[in-house]
Amino acid sequence: GAGVSQSPSNKVTEKGKDVELRCDPISGHTALYWYRQSLGQGLEFLIYFQGNSAPDKSGLPSDRFSAERTGGSVSTLTIQRTQQEDSAVYLCASSLGTSGGTGETQYFGPGTRLLVL
Amino acid sequence: GNSVTQMEGPVTLSEEAFLTINCTYTATGYPSLFWYVQYPGEGLQLLLKATKADDKGSNKGFEATYRKETTSFHLEKGSVQVSDSAVYFCALRSNAGGTSYGKLTFGQGTILTVHP
Repeated sequence: GAGVSQSPSNKVTEKGKDVELRCDPISGHTALYWYRQSLGQGLEFLIYFQGNSAPDKSGLPSDRFSAERTGGSVSTLTIQRTQQEDSAVYLCASSLGTSGGTGETQYFGPGTRLLVL
Repeated sequence: GNSVTQMEGPVTLSEEAFLTINCTYTATGYPSLFWYVQYPGEGLQLLLKATKADDKGSNKGFEATYRKETTSFHLEKGSVQVSDSAVYFCALRSNAGGTSYGKLTFGQGTILTVHP
């Protein structure tokens, strides 16, 4: 079946602009994650949605970052007033979200490469 | 907090050589452990995983054993191929609850290059 999809694949923006990144998880997956991959910081967790529970936002680096998940499916990560240090690859992942499933696999999308000029 | 430490890279090997990439972790409770691989131009893929102590994960000739006594999950392959050239990430997922539950904590990644 279809995997996790993300759009756009590449985004170039000017410092100070807002950007929206989209993630379509695998159908039926109730858990959705956003990560950021950058040269200096490696792979960092940003935010985690599980069903209808309040999201775990503990990884968001500043209040310029926010995310929502509509209808328990598609998610949008928004970065306001972008800065050059926001340049990175933003990865989305989804998993089944079964209770207590710490070993369950997270399936990653291809990522959105963001460049802030 | 949770952390994962991978051996410094990059690693360059000749085809058919033995591969070891070291991974050690710090976590509360009994985390699940993973190796993800990122081939050139592709996304992250799960390579193998282990969910409890002494479990061995294996896939595509790669193996890793969950060693709780040494808090390690080293990746090994007996005979690497050129097609194994990629970036390898060790990761853990905590089951301790609180804010750690759910997210993966990754190591820095190890670049592997295999020459013919």
